[in-house]
Amino acid sequence: DTAVSQTPKYLVTQMGNDKSIKCEQNLGHDTMYWYKQDSKKFLKIMFSYNNKELIINETVPNRFSPKSPDKAHLNLHINSLELGDSAVYFCASSQGGAGNSPLHFGNGTRLTVT
Amino acid sequence: GDSVTQMEGPVTLSEEAFLTINCTYTATGYPSLFWYVQYPGEGLQLLLKATKADDKGSNKGFEATYRKETTSFHLEKGSVQVSDSAVYFCALSDYNQGGKLIFGQGTELSVKP
Repeated sequence: DTAVSQTPKYLVTQMGNDKSIKCEQNLGHDTMYWYKQDSKKFLKIMFSYNNKELIINETVPNRFSPKSPDKAHLNLHINSLELGDSAVYFCASSQGGAGNSPLHFGNGTRLTVT
Repeated sequence: GDSVTQMEGPVTLSEEAFLTINCTYTATGYPSLFWYVQYPGEGLQLLLKATKADDKGSNKGFEATYRKETTSFHLEKGSVQVSDSAVYFCALSDYNQGGKLIFGQGTELSVKP
């Protein structure tokens, strides 16, 4: 059973389009995250939700909007895609904050904007 | 703000060689420290962690000791295998920063047979 699953695995789209990435976890965790990994492998947190409530929102453009319909799901919607949005996006979950329990990551969604 | 700095990669070693990947951190509080590993095409997995000074985390032959005096958490393994080839991330979580995980830039390790 996949613990944290993201779809799609690959996403190729043109500038200006709107796209969504879905994430689901079956671990019963109460906290979910979105991370962005750039071409140099650098990982930066974008958002964190605890029990459907936004608790971390880094300096991410307003074009990125997370949505958590329930604590097992955290989706990421991106409007008006730009070339610089090309990256691998990772969803993760944990029980409580990152200092208390390890993060469980999905396998990533590679977004390519042309 | 808090930050983590790792040695630059890629690191290329022969099988059975000794591995050290350096990691230093800056933090305003007393963070927990982690090493995560990313195998090709996969997400990150926790490798080991330490929550207070002088703690040693260990897993799968890898070790790291939380050194508060040098603000370091270097990763070591006595004898690497080809299957250890991956990207290794040092990270910290500081309650003063909302408990989020802050990663270093990652160090790619390639082990040749």
